[in-house]
Amino acid sequence: DSGVTQTPKHLITATGQRVTLRCSPRSGDLSVYWYQQSLDQGLQFLIQYYNGEERAKGNILERFSAQQFPDLHSELNLSSLELGDSALYFCASNPTGDGANVLTFGAGSRLTVL
Amino acid sequence: ILNVEQSPQSLHVQEGDSTNFTCSFPSSNFYALHWYRWETAKSPEALFVMTLNGDEKKKGRISATLNTKEGYSYLYIKGSQPEDSATYLCAFIKAGGFKTIFGAGTRLFVKA
Repeated sequence: DSGVTQTPKHLITATGQRVTLRCSPRSGDLSVYWYQQSLDQGLQFLIQYYNGEERAKGNILERFSAQQFPDLHSELNLSSLELGDSALYFCASNPTGDGANVLTFGAGSRLTVL
Repeated sequence: ILNVEQSPQSLHVQEGDSTNFTCSFPSSNFYALHWYRWETAKSPEALFVMTLNGDEKKKGRISATLNTKEGYSYLYIKGSQPEDSATYLCAFIKAGGFKTIFGAGTRLFVKA
């Protein structure tokens, strides 16, 4: 157990729907990162939060949004889902939100859009 | 766009072979480089953080070197074992220290 908790582990939904993925960072970590891994693709950076504030943004679609709450957990909202959004979504955390510390990954949330 | 390239894409070796992979990254505005090991059906796990040009890090049979001036890092595995079979990822962090951008990884297969 890495200490980073992601729910749900698996999610199957239909095109056009909206889902929310949740992440609780490791105790003491202030920063949360979201990554998407589509079939045969690497980890694509979506967005990063530090202590409740957005710190960096990657290639995140406008249909996707995220936030980090005062208790430091984060949610990734995916709306108007398309078949191509089917992927494994990873959350990772680190203490300082910079490269001086490695990322600790959660187990991932596998989204299937039918 | 930050390009982080890893080569080779995949590698098949015999048990006992030593091997190495390359991670190439932009040489300007360097802040840090990470290496991760990612086993199938698991999550990536950190191996090393490297921040200074010339850094060498070692953990058991795995070691890594860093050249920030020319923009590359090598990961070495000495005496590969079947349990070393995994995807090895590098991640580049640009000065400012925020976005952590991963390469596509090198997939290692070690045959007993």
